[in-house]
Amino acid sequence: QKEVEQDPGPLSVPEGAIVSLNCTYSNSAFQYFMWYRQYSRKGPELLMYTYSSGNKEDGRFTAQVDKSSKYISLFIRDSQPSDSATYLCAMSTGANSKLTFGKGITLSVRP
Amino acid sequence: GAVVSQHPSWVICKSGTSVKIECRSLDFQATTMFWYRQFPKQSLMLMATSNEGSKATYEQGVEKDKFLINHASLTLSTLTVTSAHPEDSSFYICSARVNRGYNEQFFGPGTRLTVL
Repeated sequence: QKEVEQDPGPLSVPEGAIVSLNCTYSNSAFQYFMWYRQYSRKGPELLMYTYSSGNKEDGRFTAQVDKSSKYISLFIRDSQPSDSATYLCAMSTGANSKLTFGKGITLSVRP
Repeated sequence: GAVVSQHPSWVICKSGTSVKIECRSLDFQATTMFWYRQFPKQSLMLMATSNEGSKATYEQGVEKDKFLINHASLTLSTLTVTSAHPEDSSFYICSARVNRGYNEQFFGPGTRLTVL
């Protein structure tokens, strides 16, 4: 079993839809949870960061962490064509620990 | 702020040659930089952690004699792929960690290496 599993996708939604992206993990020591967005042939950029359990909202994006279920989610409201990208979840055990990434899911938002 | 650059953005080389990739933090100092490798439709695989002024720490299965990493200053780390072969063709991405109390890494735009 991989440490971090992410829904394989790809995912295609119409503009304005609510998107839910999910990752599960097996290492209960993970405490820092991140979502990165990566456009084609570019490096990832940090979208959301969460420490431990709970929700965090930033504009149209909401990150959710459920440590009891070892499950994290990213919700995108009112999705836009510009949201079309690959989304990777990442997590680490400590502030100075290496990041472990999910495989990524490619999202396409149709105008 | 927190911009990371990589050079070159793409490179094509013949089998057996060595290729150097530079990673620079442009507006901050990075004591720690990371090198990742990404195959098409795959996730980022950490190759090594580079600390300024000390030897890099390589992940299991990564040949340190093949992938030479040097972190000579607080703003520059280099990855040299020695005696490159077609199976080394990949997307190489570096990142630099900002010390903000949590594990935030800023990524470079990546380097596409093609070995013929």
